[in-house]
Amino acid sequence: ETGVTQSPTHLIKTRGQQVTLRCSSQSGHNTVSWYQQALGQGPQFIFQYYREEENGRGNFPPRFSGLQFPNYSSELNVNALELDDSALYLCASSERRSRDEQFFGPGTRLTVL
Amino acid sequence: TQLLEQSPQFLSIQEGENLTVYCNSSSVFSSLQWYRQEPGEGPVLLVTVVTGGEVKKLKRLTFQFGDARKDSSLHITAAQPGDTGLYLCALSNTGNQFYFGTGTSLTVIP
Repeated sequence: ETGVTQSPTHLIKTRGQQVTLRCSSQSGHNTVSWYQQALGQGPQFIFQYYREEENGRGNFPPRFSGLQFPNYSSELNVNALELDDSALYLCASSERRSRDEQFFGPGTRLTVL
Repeated sequence: TQLLEQSPQFLSIQEGENLTVYCNSSSVFSSLQWYRQEPGEGPVLLVTVVTGGEVKKLKRLTFQFGDARKDSSLHITAAQPGDTGLYLCALSNTGNQFYFGTGTSLTVIP
């Protein structure tokens, strides 16, 4: 059984640029959630995708957007990067019928200069 | 406004000591989860508690859900260096949105 994988591991961008982060869900999981974790903080929910549709969104501006593909992998896109977007971005997958059990990937560390 | 408050924020103890970390909310929640996150990794689920007053044990870890379902605690007996990490509590409201606490960073010194 393959766990949740994310790419890239680390990324450095400058303010105003755009970034795409990728996540492959665990085998058998059809739900993917994205989180932003600032240094020293708990993860904050960005949004969730279920069967290619957005299924809940946290308090993040529209420049944070996502996609889920037929194989349930997912992308997080952030436009017009700001310095405060520097964080660890975590992806978690789950089976829809077991909503409470999420499995997290190792994250992508984004630094915005 | 933080939905879940955790305390203490930082904890540094010697190997073999006992410790308790707390998670509190101003709202009643239906279930709560505890995670541990190690540096460079994503959080790993330790336990889910659902029933008020529920107590669950996972080896040297004891999790308790408050009777009013607004608070929870995690007690570690005889802490070991392998217990070092960030302990996070999280609750789910509708099942598709999870709120994490501020975290307790634990360091166990050999």
